[in-house]
Amino acid sequence: QQPVQSPQAVILREGEDAVINCSSSKALYSVHWYRQKHGEAPVFLMILLKGGEQKGHEKISASFNEKKQQSSLYLTASQLSYSGTYFCGPPPGGFKTIFGAGTRLFVKA
Amino acid sequence: KAGVTQTPRYLIKTRGQQVTLSCSPISGHRSVSWYQQTPGQGLQFLFEYFSETQRNKGNFPGRFSGRQFSNSRSEMNVSTLELGDSALYLCASARQGDTGELFFGEGSRLTVL
Repeated sequence: QQPVQSPQAVILREGEDAVINCSSSKALYSVHWYRQKHGEAPVFLMILLKGGEQKGHEKISASFNEKKQQSSLYLTASQLSYSGTYFCGPPPGGFKTIFGAGTRLFVKA
Repeated sequence: KAGVTQTPRYLIKTRGQQVTLSCSPISGHRSVSWYQQTPGQGLQFLFEYFSETQRNKGNFPGRFSGRQFSNSRSEMNVSTLELGDSALYLCASARQGDTGELFFGEGSRLTVL
């Protein structure tokens, strides 16, 4: 039931791009993405809704393929502040959110 | 507006003891969910409360329990602590808890000796 994220970890230099994938064995109607910086609480990044609508707070793009039950997060021209662990999860359907194991992203200067 | 507040931030207990953690959600948020975070297991869902009712729970033993009060504040309790219960316990609040974003507190770090 837990979404599967890939890769598990990635190291980038500033300015490079990265893609984080999230797939689920059960039907997804929407996907949530969160980022947790070291020693801090997870922070909401965006919600991807059925039909392609996105709701988010940052200039990070993502896609949601309902047929493949997969979502991808695109981090372009990465900055040092992008470092952290990224989590995806089905939204609180059934009033619970099950998160993937996370993808650790490290951006170095 | 004030964020999600969790207390205590750090605590150390010994095996067999019990612990109570508190979470005050953002004003107006009626849903509170709890998560256990460990390095190897990521974010594991414990339970979710809405208007004082538990609507769902994760796969944790009965030693883990929780409740929510009329002001939406929530507590979780772990009885008969085990070494493996050492973790960061995060709570998150949401308006409805079904489709909205979660706002996390900074967590309570529990160490069991």
